[in-house]
Amino acid sequence: IAGITQAPTSQILAAGRRMTLRCTQDMRHNAMYWYRQDLGLGLRLIHYSNTAGTTGKGEVPDGYSVSRANTDDFPLTLASAVPSQTSVYFCASSESGLAADTQYFGPGTRLTVL
Amino acid sequence: GQNIDQPTEMTATEGAIVQINCTYQTSGFNGLFWYQQHAGEAPTFLSYNVLDGLEEKGRFSSFLSRSKGYIYLLLKELQMKDSASYLCAVRDGDYKLSFGAGTTVTVRA
Repeated sequence: IAGITQAPTSQILAAGRRMTLRCTQDMRHNAMYWYRQDLGLGLRLIHYSNTAGTTGKGEVPDGYSVSRANTDDFPLTLASAVPSQTSVYFCASSESGLAADTQYFGPGTRLTVL
Repeated sequence: GQNIDQPTEMTATEGAIVQINCTYQTSGFNGLFWYQQHAGEAPTFLSYNVLDGLEEKGRFSSFLSRSKGYIYLLLKELQMKDSASYLCAVRDGDYKLSFGAGTTVTVRA
């Protein structure tokens, strides 16, 4: 079934540890996104990529990095996790980042930083 | 940044109609989306408006007024499965989506 997969489903992490959240899509979409969702704040854009080889910063990029080596994969790395990064992380993709395309979301990763 | 306001919670009875209002302020405008999100799940696309007026899709319809910075989502013939959070999201001039905090709709029997 075509779509977006994320791994892990959930993770408990000690503060200061490095963590990479994985995201893979098989729809051959050019654009991919990472959001975090916190209670009362809604979804906030962390980083995005309009095409393989390019990335950009969203609303809340500090403490996170991304790479886009190919069309399908868009990993999100927390270099040194802090408790304020406890959140639910959603990866999304769309055909293009430069048009009014619908974004499709992965199932999410629930991350707890202690 | 963008400013998007929608009510936090709404409750309605099965079979009834509920209207979720959303107001927005944005630098540039490239359309407005509604997403549905059930608890513990990913958001799923419901509707898209870019021109003023009504878009209808089955029991759901959405109405946009760009001059007023206002859109609403109308849910008709409510069913228990419609209990979910409804997210209003505006696409700005740089084609980035900004989301409201979401409206939790509870449908009671």
